[in-house]
Order: sequence, then C-alpha cells, then structure tokens
Amino acid sequence: DGGITQSPKYLFRKEGQNVTLSCEQNLNHDAMYWYRQDPGQGLRLIYYSQIVNDFQKGDIAEGYSVSREKKESFPLTVTSAQKNPTAFYLCASSIVGELFFGEGSRLTVL
Amino acid sequence: AQSVTQLGSHVSVSEGALVLLRCNYSSSVPPYLFWYVQYPNQGLQLLLKYTTGATLVKGINGFEAEFKKSETSFHLTNPSAHMSDAAEYFCAVGIPYGNNRLAFGKGNQVVVIP
Repeated sequence: DGGITQSPKYLFRKEGQNVTLSCEQNLNHDAMYWYRQDPGQGLRLIYYSQIVNDFQKGDIAEGYSVSREKKESFPLTVTSAQKNPTAFYLCASSIVGELFFGEGSRLTVL
Repeated sequence: AQSVTQLGSHVSVSEGALVLLRCNYSSSVPPYLFWYVQYPNQGLQLLLKYTTGATLVKGINGFEAEFKKSETSFHLTNPSAHMSDAAEYFCAVGIPYGNNRLAFGKGNQVVVIP
C-alpha cells in the first residue's frame, strides 16, 4: 500500500544522546515535512524539504537536523542540543497543499 | 503568513447531538483549508478540504464544512455525533502555489457522552 512509514513508533533516550527518527514514503511526493506535537499546542513545523538535497528550517528547528539524500526518505535527528525533546513527532509528505501523515513516533527522554 | 484560530480546546457533545467545531483563519491570499482528525497515538487523517469551487464541502463520516470568505471561517459540523467521533480535530490553512506549508490550529479534543 502507498503511504508514509515512520519508525520506531516508541523510542526512549537518555539525556545527552542523539536519536534519529526514520520517515519513508512511496507516494512519489516531492515535498516532505517534520512536525512536533505537544499536548494543547497543535503541530509545529521543524523542517521541510521540497526537493532532494534541499531543506529549510521551520518554526522550531533548533536542536534538530535533517537530510534528504533520496526522494523517498527524510530522517530527523534529535540532537542533545534540543532542550525538551520529549514529544510526538509526525512526518508528512504533500501534493497540491494536502498533507499525508505517517503514524508518528513518540520520543521519551529519561 | 497564514494562521488559524480554534477556540475551546475540549468540546463535549452528547451522542446523537450536533458537533460544531469553529475555525477562523488569516491569509493574505485566497486559502486552501483543511480539517484533519487524529485518534490517540496515530497520525492525522484528512476529513475534508476546500481548494476552489463549492463552498460547502462534504467529508468522511458525515462531516462537512463551509468556507465563508466574509467571515474568514471554515467551521466543521456533523449533525449527529457517534462514539467513534471522539478524537482530536485540527483545522489548517495553506496557500496555492506556495511551499505547501500548512499552518495548524491548536486542535479541539472532542469527547462524546453516551
């Protein structure tokens, strides 16, 4: 089936460790996005990429990094510089403005 | 830049009653408008969208929304709530030919009372 696959679904990390969240899509969409979701705050954009080998910072990029080496893949690294990384992370791709979301990855920092 | 306002973070409705979720947007150009639904620990699913044409848009599970340019609104309704409608609902605004970035509201958590 076509869609977006995020892994892992649940992840625990110790303070000071980097962690990478995977996002793969087989929808042949050019644009991909990473959002962070916290209770009562809606979705906030971390990074987005409109084409391979290019990406832009969103509204809350500090402490995060991304790469876009393949059209299908847009991994997100949560670095130790992110002060409050515990959250639900959502990856999406888009066509004509409509976003298609993965199932999300819940990161908990212990 | 676009923005969305959704008032009332939690909305309680009796089973069989009308569901009304309000969304007001701000955009400097004619917008694209979306409603998404999210069930616990899952991603967002598209309920309905407005791009151009008919201002009353019908979506899945009996939901519909009406684009009112004069009121800058895109309120979501369902005439009869079901227990399965308990979820979080997000309104979002984007612009045609932009970078496909959507601005999301803070969401409404809908509780259905039996």
